Amino acid sequence: EAEVAQSPRYKITEKSQAVAFWCDPISGHATLYWYRQILGQGPELLVQFQDESVVDDSQLPKDRFSAERLKGVDSTLKIQPAELGDSAMYLCASSLGINQPQHFGDGTRLSIL
Amino acid sequence: AQSVTQPDIHITVSEGASLELRCNYSYGATPYLFWYVQSPGQGLQLLLKYFSGDTLVQGIKGFEAEFKRSQSSFNLRKPSVHWSDAAEYFCAVGPARKAAGNKLTFGGGTRVLVKP
Repeated sequence: EAEVAQSPRYKITEKSQAVAFWCDPISGHATLYWYRQILGQGPELLVQFQDESVVDDSQLPKDRFSAERLKGVDSTLKIQPAELGDSAMYLCASSLGINQPQHFGDGTRLSIL
Repeated sequence: AQSVTQPDIHITVSEGASLELRCNYSYGATPYLFWYVQSPGQGLQLLLKYFSGDTLVQGIKGFEAEFKRSQSSFNLRKPSVHWSDAAEYFCAVGPARKAAGNKLTFGGGTRVLVKP
């Protein structure tokens, strides 16, 4: 069982609605990542946090996506408004620090109708 | 820009047979290399990693991988496959220098089917 906790496991919503995902990393892990995995492809990094600071959000569609890690522990990824193309698996990962192995949660499967 | 290629989208292997999954990478510096496995509907589990040193690395579940710098490859092998090895396998590359952060670039994955 994954040690990185994510919720919900599944989310079905209509386009134009808002959706949020939550991630609780392994205790003590300073670095947290959000990935998007489209069916049949490898994961792609959306945003990386070091403690509460964003290290890399170059691939995050900032017009509709936002991410926060206010206290440097758990994190929330939000999409508003959702589009059909956002249907994917959203994976959270954490590591002790930069360049340490990443440990993944079980993901949230998002379906946009 | 860094990239990872997994040439085989699907591989079917008989239970008990050997397995080799190919991974080629493009990277401008010394890379960190990883293999992850993903069962349907689940997250990714780390199988093994190469940072430096011995180019043949052992991982969990009986897997091993060999780093060949001259071929820019990091192929994954298992001598005898079990039915539970049916899953999708991802190769990933990351920067070796700490200052460069820890952005992993993943290949497109290889789906392994195991025949009884």
